[in-house]
Amino acid sequence: EVQLVESGGGLVKPGGSLRLSCAASGFTFSSYSMNWVRQAPGKGLEWVSSISSSSSYIYYADSVKGRFTISRDNAKNSLYLQMNSLRAEDTAVYYCARGKLERRSYFDYWGQGTLVTVSS
Amino acid sequence: EIVLTQSPGTLSLSPGERATLSCRASQSVSSSYLAWYQQKPGQAPRLLIYGASSRATGIPDRFSGSGSGTDFTLTISRLEPEDFAVYYCQQYGSSPQGLTFGGGTKVEIK
Repeated sequence: EVQLVESGGGLVKPGGSLRLSCAASGFTFSSYSMNWVRQAPGKGLEWVSSISSSSSYIYYADSVKGRFTISRDNAKNSLYLQMNSLRAEDTAVYYCARGKLERRSYFDYWGQGTLVTVSS
Repeated sequence: EIVLTQSPGTLSLSPGERATLSCRASQSVSSSYLAWYQQKPGQAPRLLIYGASSRATGIPDRFSGSGSGTDFTLTISRLEPEDFAVYYCQQYGSSPQGLTFGGGTKVEIK
C-alpha cells in the first residue's frame, strides 16, 4: 500500500524557516517524481514544487521561487521542502504527492498533509 | 501560465441526480493533460480522472471525464451520498513550472 506521511509543520514567525519531510513507503520511491502542493485555509489547491525521480529536474511556482528548496533522498525514501523567508501567505496545509509522470504530471497518491502557520 | 476556470462554483443536487462540472482553460491544454480530483473536508485530494477521460484505479464508473483543447467536463452519472465534496481540475500540459489547478466546484446536497 502506498503511503506518504508528512511531518515538520508548525507555527513560525514571518521571516523564519521550516523544513518539511515526507516519508514514502509501499512503492519504489526512486522511480517516481514527487511534488509539494499546498492549500491555504478555506482555499483551493496550489502546486508548489516538483522534483524528478533522480533530482535532475526541479521546478517551483513563482510564488516560492528563491525561498523554497525541494530535495529528495532516494536511499531514505524521503522528500523534503526547505522553506525560508516565510510569509503570512505561506500559511497552508502542505501535501506531499506522487507524480505519475516524470516532469509534467498529475498526482496519483497524496499524504494527509502538514499544517504550516506563519504568524507573529 | 494556463488559468483554469471551474463552473459552477457550487452545485446543489439530490442523491441519484446527474452532476456536470465544467473546467475551462485560458489556452489549449496539450495532449489532453487534464486531471480531476475529489476532496472531502479534512481529507487529502483523491485522483479521479487523468488524461481528460481515463479513470484512476478504483474509481467507480459513474465518474467520467471528457473534453479537449480548452473545455473539459467531469460527469457523475448518479450521485451517491459519498460523492458530495469539492472537485478540482488540474492541467499538466504546460511547462513544468506552470502546473495549475482550477478554483474548485463544491457539490452539495440539495
